[in-house]
Amino acid sequence: GDSVTQMEGPVTLSEEAFLTINCTYTATGYPSLFWYVQYPGEGLQLLLKATKADDKGSNKGFEATYRKETTSFHLEKGSVQVSDSAVYFCALSDKGTSGSRLTFGEGTQLTVNP
Amino acid sequence: KAGVTQTPRYLIKTRGQQVTLSCSPISGHRSVSWYQQTPGQGLQFLFEYFSETQRNKGNFPGRFSGRQFSNSRSEMNVSTLELGDSALYLCASSNSIGVNTEAFFGQGTRLTVV
Repeated sequence: GDSVTQMEGPVTLSEEAFLTINCTYTATGYPSLFWYVQYPGEGLQLLLKATKADDKGSNKGFEATYRKETTSFHLEKGSVQVSDSAVYFCALSDKGTSGSRLTFGEGTQLTVNP
Repeated sequence: KAGVTQTPRYLIKTRGQQVTLSCSPISGHRSVSWYQQTPGQGLQFLFEYFSETQRNKGNFPGRFSGRQFSNSRSEMNVSTLELGDSALYLCASSNSIGVNTEAFFGQGTRLTVV
């Protein structure tokens, strides 16, 4: 079945540091890929998405590129801020399944210190 | 416009009881999905409804059920509660179904079973 694997957390960085959160996936079909962010006490918010190979999703300084050859969708940001502290989830939606079902990774807790 | 509204936000129930959670999607959205979030299992898909029909179901026991009304509002029910059902239950709505559809999440209902 479908699965998503994220790098183990938590991740602690200083403000303005470079961020990478690794994400790899297994899917039976040709999935769309997403990064969601969850702030404390909140639901999930879509951060960015990519729907086909070599697509780059970007938002709020975050970027991720859909790499079909390595089945990866790593999240990057050049300079993190304290306000980026949250839990980040990589997810996929597989064309091989019906509907809009999302399969999530384990989540990575990011803490950015001033 | 108003986001996804879940009620109640917090709930404490006794083992063996049953519970009903409610989700009002964004106006105009016809698809509603439910997810369970726990520290041990992460985010797991429960079910998806579109136009009052269940389109997709996750791997949960029959104690977990749901429905969608003609106004797209959705409820999920858990009968014979177990301690392991303690979780954050998240509802997501979207304006269609499909792998590229953006899901908008509510803040969730925190269920504690004692």
